[in-house]
Amino acid sequence: GQNIDQPTEMTATEGAIVQINCTYQTSGFNGLFWYQQHAGEAPTFLSYNVLDGLEEKGRFSSFLSRSKGYSYLLLKELQMKDSASYLCAVSLGATNKLIFGTGTLLAVQP
Amino acid sequence: DVKVTQSSRYLVKRTGEKVFLECVQDMDHENMFWYRQDPGLGLRLIYFSYDVKMKEKGDIPEGYSVSREKKERFSLILESASTNQTSMYLCASSSGTSGGKRNEQFFGPGTRLTVL
Repeated sequence: GQNIDQPTEMTATEGAIVQINCTYQTSGFNGLFWYQQHAGEAPTFLSYNVLDGLEEKGRFSSFLSRSKGYSYLLLKELQMKDSASYLCAVSLGATNKLIFGTGTLLAVQP
Repeated sequence: DVKVTQSSRYLVKRTGEKVFLECVQDMDHENMFWYRQDPGLGLRLIYFSYDVKMKEKGDIPEGYSVSREKKERFSLILESASTNQTSMYLCASSSGTSGGKRNEQFFGPGTRLTVL
C-alpha cells in the first residue's frame, strides 16, 4: 500500500523558522511535491524534489532523502499569511498521479 | 496562467439525485484528475484521465463515474448521490506523462457538495 505521514498541526511564531516533515512508503517514486492550501481555497504548488538534497526558493526550501523516504519543507521568516495547510504528495507511475498526505495545518502566531 | 475552472463553488442536492460536476482547463493538458477532500483524510483520488475518452480508477471510485469527451473538459458524475458523498471536490490538470518533468497539478477552486 501507499502511506504518507505528516504532522496534523503545528504552531509557530511570526518571524521564526518552522520545519514540516513528511515520510512516505510508496511503490514507485517519480518525485515529491509540496502544496500550500489556504482555508477554502485550492492547493497551490510550492516545491518539487526529484533528486536528494535541498531545493531553495525564497523563504521556502524543501529537502528530500529518497533512501530514507523522507522530506521536509522549511519556512523561514514566517509571516501571518503563511498560516495554511501544507500538503506533501508523492508522484507515482507513468501518469504521475499524486498520493497526498493528510496535510499539516500551520498556525502562525504574532 | 493556467486556469482550471469548476462549474459550481457550492451545490446542494438530495439523496438519490444524479449530480454532474464539471471541470474545464485551458492549458491543453493531457491529464485531468478528480479528488475529494475531507477533514482528517486529506485529498483522495477518485478518477483520473490521461487522454480523451480514457479513464482510470483512483483510490475511491465507488459511487462515481467520469466522462472525458473533449481534452479540456472532465466531468465527475454521482449516479445516485448519498449523504456520505458530502465533501469538497477538487479537479486538477497536468501536462504529459514524461518522467523527469515536474508535471505539477494545477487545481480548480473546488465544489463544496452537500447531499441532504
